[in-house]
Amino acid sequence: SQQGEEDPQALSIQEGENATMNCSYKTSINNLQWYRQNSGRGLVHLILIRSNEREKHSGRLRVTLDTSKKSSSLLITASRAADTASYFCATVRSSNTGKLIFGQGTTLQVKP
Amino acid sequence: EAGVAQSPRYKIIEKRQSVAFWCNPISGHATLYWYQQILGQGPKLLIQFQNNGVVDDSQLPKDRFSAERLKGVDSTLKIQPAKLEDSAVYLCASSKDSGVSGDTQYFGPGTRLTVL
Repeated sequence: SQQGEEDPQALSIQEGENATMNCSYKTSINNLQWYRQNSGRGLVHLILIRSNEREKHSGRLRVTLDTSKKSSSLLITASRAADTASYFCATVRSSNTGKLIFGQGTTLQVKP
Repeated sequence: EAGVAQSPRYKIIEKRQSVAFWCNPISGHATLYWYQQILGQGPKLLIQFQNNGVVDDSQLPKDRFSAERLKGVDSTLKIQPAKLEDSAVYLCASSKDSGVSGDTQYFGPGTRLTVL
């Protein structure tokens, strides 16, 4: 079963703009991860945020986590055409084997 | 460091035929995962191995799917017989630790299966 729900399902922006994607989930988590998937390629891990963390940065990526609202957001600043991809949030529940439960994903298109 | 290897990259079969996928994880990674990703959806875990033991296969359709990880290294996933709804990308991933804490998973390029 899908745990996370991403919003929006699709997003189209111009190069240089910021892109924000949101993820909501249902149960208590150990951590939340964001992955990127380019067309025809496998998934690439972007960032992991633990349940006791509120914000994390990695280059042009900023992730926030609000466990009280069971939601997370991924912000990509100064987007580039190469950022065009599908972005998935995946949660690890507090009490399981550590398996990732993925959402449906947000498709981001960055126009040059 | 070499990534997760998968083969074949593409496979087309007719329904009721059988098919097998192979995965070689990153060297030294204890945990191996197989996911099914249907077009337009996020990946869904089919089975998780720690070394050569099964940790989670709750979403594996065991009447037609089977998987093994001999010697705790590479793994094969088999479908027999295939159904139309098995058309998907099959992703293999591995992680360094036991997987309990939800460590970073490294994914292979996937095998795109089309069942006609």
